[in-house]
Order: sequence, then C-alpha cells, then structure tokens
Amino acid sequence: EAGVVQSPRYKIIEKKQPVAFWCNPISGHNTLYWYRQNLGQGPELLIRYENEEAVDDSQLPKDRFSAERLKGVDSTLKIQPAELGDSAVYLCASSLTVTQYFGPGTRLLVL
Amino acid sequence: AQKITQTQPGMFVQEKEAVTLDCTYDTSDPSYGLFWYKQPSSGEMIFLIYQGSYDQQNATEGRYSLNFQKARKSANLVISASQLGDSAMYFCATPGGGYNKLIFGAGTRLAVHP
Repeated sequence: EAGVVQSPRYKIIEKKQPVAFWCNPISGHNTLYWYRQNLGQGPELLIRYENEEAVDDSQLPKDRFSAERLKGVDSTLKIQPAELGDSAVYLCASSLTVTQYFGPGTRLLVL
Repeated sequence: AQKITQTQPGMFVQEKEAVTLDCTYDTSDPSYGLFWYKQPSSGEMIFLIYQGSYDQQNATEGRYSLNFQKARKSANLVISASQLGDSAMYFCATPGGGYNKLIFGAGTRLAVHP
C-alpha cells in the first residue's frame, strides 16, 4: 500500500513569494492533516480535514495561509506571501482510525 | 490542555544494547493514547507504536515496546537490540481535542554507535 505522498520535497524561495505544497493521502483515509515543524521542535497542527471539509483550522494563519481539499482526496497548502519565519518542514498526515501516518514532508527555506 | 515532556535531548547507545527513551504526559481526558514516532534525517515521521489508556498490557511491536505507567503518567519507549539504523529523532505524542490532532514532545535524538 502506498504511503502519504508529498511534493515538492524541498523548496527555496525569496520572501514575499508564493509557495504551494501538495499532499496525496493514503487511499481510503478520509482525515487529512497539515502540520508545521519548526527546527528542533515537534510538529504542530495547522489544519485538519474530514473529507473535503476543514473542521479545525484554528492554528492556520489565515492572512497568508490557505488550504483546500477538493473532492476529499488530495490537498494543497499555500502561503502567499511567504515570510522568513515560515521556514520549516510542512508535514501532511492522514488517518482512518486513531493512528496518523505521515508523508516525507516539504522542507521550505525562505530567504 | 494536553502536554508531552521529553527530558532527554540526546541519548547514546551501543549497537545491540537496549535503550529507554523517556516520555511523560499530562492530560485531562479520561480516555487517551500515547504514540511514538521515529523521524530519520530524511524527514518523514514513521509510526512505531501506540498504547491506549485502557489497554491492560504494554504494547509491543517487534523490537519496540512501550513501558506504560499510568500512575506516573509515563510512556517510555524501549528499543531492544539497537541497530545503526535506529539513529534518528524520536517523538512521543498524545491526542488533543478528542483524537483530532496530535500533541508532540520536543523529541529525543538517539545515536547508535557501532
């Protein structure tokens, strides 16, 4: 069974530029999560989807971050415009029951 | 609110020896769980083991076992017969908001020496 797929794996951009991350969850997993992991810390939830509905986006900085999960399968997380403090690893996870399975992450560096 | 504390920033172990990674938790939920994940330098978070608060026996998965002591609010990960490939960051986590997200600790970096 294929795991969670994320792309790109690495992204380097200049501040104020837009950036987008893509995630394809494990087939059949209706819950999808986006986490941000700052250097030296554990991941923190940005947004959670149940099918195509965003049910918890309280930690998403809505002035510059947006996300969508069309058709309840793959998802896109966007930052516009990026700031220096957005440099981090962005992890996507999916779950069917209690256990969340993570993708390889996108490592973002904002210069 | 839920909180995970991992007090060991780094640990060293000799290959083939056992090692224990500490995790203490704080939660007000009557039903909860504890997860351990491994994060190699490649970046992905790999699920290792899960223990539910009402499970009677400590969870085991191959060389991984969870030493769950409810009274002490600890859920330590034991890795037996360490291998070089076990070198990685290890994160303890517990669900927050009714299993709607995971609350992670700061992690422990494990180095396995030959």
